[in-house]
Amino acid sequence: SAVISQKPSRDICQRGTSLTIQCQVDSQVTMMFWYRQQPGQSLTLIATANQGSEATYESGFVIDKFPISRPNLTFSTLTVSNMSPEDSSIYLCSVGGGKYEQYFGPGTRLTVT
Amino acid sequence: AQKVTQAQTEISVVEKEDVTLDCVYETRDTTYYLFWYKQPPSGELVFLIRRNSFDEQNEISGRYSWNFQKSTSSFNFTITASQVVDSAVYFCALSTLSSGGSYIPTFGRGTSLIVHP
Repeated sequence: SAVISQKPSRDICQRGTSLTIQCQVDSQVTMMFWYRQQPGQSLTLIATANQGSEATYESGFVIDKFPISRPNLTFSTLTVSNMSPEDSSIYLCSVGGGKYEQYFGPGTRLTVT
Repeated sequence: AQKVTQAQTEISVVEKEDVTLDCVYETRDTTYYLFWYKQPPSGELVFLIRRNSFDEQNEISGRYSWNFQKSTSSFNFTITASQVVDSAVYFCALSTLSSGGSYIPTFGRGTSLIVHP
């Protein structure tokens, strides 16, 4: 298993601004994942972040809107750019995955006004 | 395309009742992985179980049990003698090989279980 922390835990942001979410893992991992969970909904994979390479985005998500950094094997950031109220969600990072179980961070609850 | 259906949006039971959460999946792949996760009111997702497509053995862990049936593409989860602490949203997930060469999970919409004292 892995222990994952996220910052901030929650934020309220103005429309048009950007927020960077940090994800820290207590061990080195190859792949990290970023998910969005809209209120009362399931988890939707935004992108997969491998250290040393560009993130791989899922259909419907683009780098300009959700730029991701992965500077080392224990850390990643997701930026939500030019926010609108539709971006109000919980954003989760996770490790593991693929064939194996995932371990999730506590999430960042974002409200855009 | 891969799909996971959790038809039960919300289930409400009284403590000590048994409850089964349904999960039906769709995939054309022969190799895949199935998971259940629990998301309590605190929000943090917790892994419960993993199954690969070649292992149809049912599993029991305390009050939890899982029934995997490839013939019906189902991976159902039963809680015996439910407790208030079982109240949570439960997600079923299916992981299959993507065109990019990695296994990508697809989550169901989740079933909200409410256990009343």
